[in-house]
Amino acid sequence: GAVVSQHPSWVICKSGTSVKIECRSLDFQATTMFWYRQFPKQSLMLMATSNEGSKATYEQGVEKDKFLINHASLTLSTLTVTSAHPEDSSFYICSARKDRTISNQPQHFGDGTRLSIL
Amino acid sequence: KNQVEQSPQSLIILEGKNCTLQCNYTVSPFSNLRWYKQDTGRGPVSLTIMTFSENTKSNGRYTATLDADTKQSSLHITASQLSDSASYICVVSARAPGDTGRRALTFGSGTRLQVQP
Repeated sequence: GAVVSQHPSWVICKSGTSVKIECRSLDFQATTMFWYRQFPKQSLMLMATSNEGSKATYEQGVEKDKFLINHASLTLSTLTVTSAHPEDSSFYICSARKDRTISNQPQHFGDGTRLSIL
Repeated sequence: KNQVEQSPQSLIILEGKNCTLQCNYTVSPFSNLRWYKQDTGRGPVSLTIMTFSENTKSNGRYTATLDADTKQSSLHITASQLSDSASYICVVSARAPGDTGRRALTFGSGTRLQVQP
């Protein structure tokens, strides 16, 4: 149980285009979803936290107009990288948690999306 | 500032051998500590989660320990297999009033383990 699916797993696109990444909780309802970014040989860096039905909370240094997050339902969150540039190339990972009020609830991670901007 | 430090950064062992990975943290107020395994190009998968009152927890060949007094944790892998080759990430959660979503987790930079035949 507790499967999180990310799509696409790999995307290559030209500089200037926008890319949408989907994160779905397949067998549970996720009140909170997280978006992370990971550079090679580094650990995950939290970009933003989204609670279903409300605006996402972005970490310091993350441009909210650049990385648009939508969490419209309890099973789906999307991250759109707008006007992507080569420096946005990275591994983006989402995670989902069932109940945001219980801190011991584990986060279940998707398998990530490798984004390459040419 | 909450921090999680892992050692060693990387480790190479022979198949069948045991190994121990270390995690030191300065996260307050402490809520729980988790170990994740991340295969290359994949998302992290939870191995163990321990709260303040738990000293040890096992998941198959993985055994995690926690010393809340010294703020140290270890992950012991027994009888390593080639499939254990991965990054192992220590993640510490701080208690936060109200909305626990934001800034609740502090990630270590991971230990890259390579198991050779």
